[in-house]
Amino acid sequence: AQKITQTQPGMFVQEKEAVTLDCTYDTSDPSYGLFWYKQPSSGEMIFLIYQGSYDQQNATEGRYSLNFQKARKSANLVISASQLGDSAMYFCAMREVGTSGTYKYIFGTGTRLKVLA
Amino acid sequence: NAGVMQNPRHLVRRRGQEARLRCSPMKGHSHVYWYRQLPEEGLKFMVYLQKENIIDESGMPKERFSAEFPKEGPSILRIQQVVRGDSAAYFCASSPPVGSSYEQYFGPGTRLTVT
Repeated sequence: AQKITQTQPGMFVQEKEAVTLDCTYDTSDPSYGLFWYKQPSSGEMIFLIYQGSYDQQNATEGRYSLNFQKARKSANLVISASQLGDSAMYFCAMREVGTSGTYKYIFGTGTRLKVLA
Repeated sequence: NAGVMQNPRHLVRRRGQEARLRCSPMKGHSHVYWYRQLPEEGLKFMVYLQKENIIDESGMPKERFSAEFPKEGPSILRIQQVVRGDSAAYFCASSPPVGSSYEQYFGPGTRLTVT
């Protein structure tokens, strides 16, 4: 079973508009973390935002915010005021405790975002 | 403070040759993770190491692949007798000791092409 599901292979958004990238997760671990990474065409992985399972408030980092709905097991990324430089692949990831008792990170398949001028 | 370093950035190997990928974690980081990214796919966990210890290798193929993180020097991912299907981007990430932070810091990746 997929632990991290990103159902949107590709998205378009007009410059200066907001966009939401979907992510749902599956875990039985009460303590986990959720991340979003950006991968531009140059290939590097850029950390954007983190949400802990016990955090009461939604995480925000500049134009990025994470819409965390624990009961629904969703952790959608919201990018406000899109810019051309936001065009990239976006990956949702979850950190949970692995079989060795240490952290394990699982990534979704990604959403390719294209910002239109 | 230098970030995670990986070399080479690009590596071309013929089928049957060996590929060695290196990863130097950020200063003060004692945990290293290796991931593989096939074209148009997400990152797949391969192995998690601490100094001189393999903690979790559940994502490593059973044959031809090995990883180490010696007491001194970088972490090495070794692929013996490469095949075309090994062509991918290989990312290394490092993190501080458990409990001090949650974030993984990624290197720029090594793009392996098998001809």
